[in-house]
Amino acid sequence: QLVLTQSPSASASLGASVKLTCTLTSGHNNYAIAWHQQQPGKGPRYLMKVNSDGSHSKGDGIPDRFSGSSSGAERYLTISSLQSDDEADYYCQTWGTGLWVFGGGTKLTVL
Amino acid sequence: QLQLQESGPGLVKPSETLSLTCTVSGGSISSSSYYWGWIRQPPGKGLEWIGSINYSGSTYYNPSLKRRLTVSVDTSKNQFSLKLNSVTAADTAVYYCASIAARRIVDYWGQGTLVTVSS
Repeated sequence: QLVLTQSPSASASLGASVKLTCTLTSGHNNYAIAWHQQQPGKGPRYLMKVNSDGSHSKGDGIPDRFSGSSSGAERYLTISSLQSDDEADYYCQTWGTGLWVFGGGTKLTVL
Repeated sequence: QLQLQESGPGLVKPSETLSLTCTVSGGSISSSSYYWGWIRQPPGKGLEWIGSINYSGSTYYNPSLKRRLTVSVDTSKNQFSLKLNSVTAADTAVYYCASIAARRIVDYWGQGTLVTVSS
C-alpha cells in the first residue's frame, strides 16, 4: 500500500534553515513526490517535484531558498533563510496506478 | 499558466447530492498531458484525493468514495465536474480542483470552495 508519512510539526528560527521529511512506504523507494505549501487560510501551492535520484524541478516563481533532495525512501524539502511567510503546512504527494496520495502534512512554525 | 476556479453551492442538505464544477483557463482541458482532479480538506485536517479524469473521460476514483462519486468532463466548456451523492456531515470540507501534469504531479490548484453539509 502506497502511503506517505510526515512528522506533524517542525520549527526553526527566522533566517535559519529547516529540512522537512516525507517517507515512502517500503517497496516504493523509486517513487518521485511533489511538495505543496499551504499558508494559513489559503489554498495549497505546488512547490516542486523531487525524484528518487535527488533531482528536483520547481514550480512557477518558487524561490531558490526552496530545494529538494532524496535518500532511500525519504524525500526532503529544505527551506533556507527562513522568512515569516514560510510558516505554513507542507504536504507531500505521490501517485500510483490509478490513485494519488497525500501525506498527512507538516506544520512549520517559524520562531 | 493554468488557472482553475471551482463553483457550486456552499450548503448541501444531508442525503442530497454535492455538485461542483471547475472551469479551466489559460490552457485546454483537452490536453493529453493532463489529468484533472478533485481534492478535499475537512476543517482542520489534511488533503484527501477524491477523483481524477482526463479529456477523454477516463476516470480514477478514491476507493473510499467510489460508490457515491461521479466525475465528468465537458471539453466544449473547458470544465470538469464532481457529483457526490448521499452526503453526510463528514463530507463537509473545502473542495479544490487541480491540474495533474503527466498524470503524476498536482501542479496547479483552484482557490477552493467550502461546502457545508447541514440541514
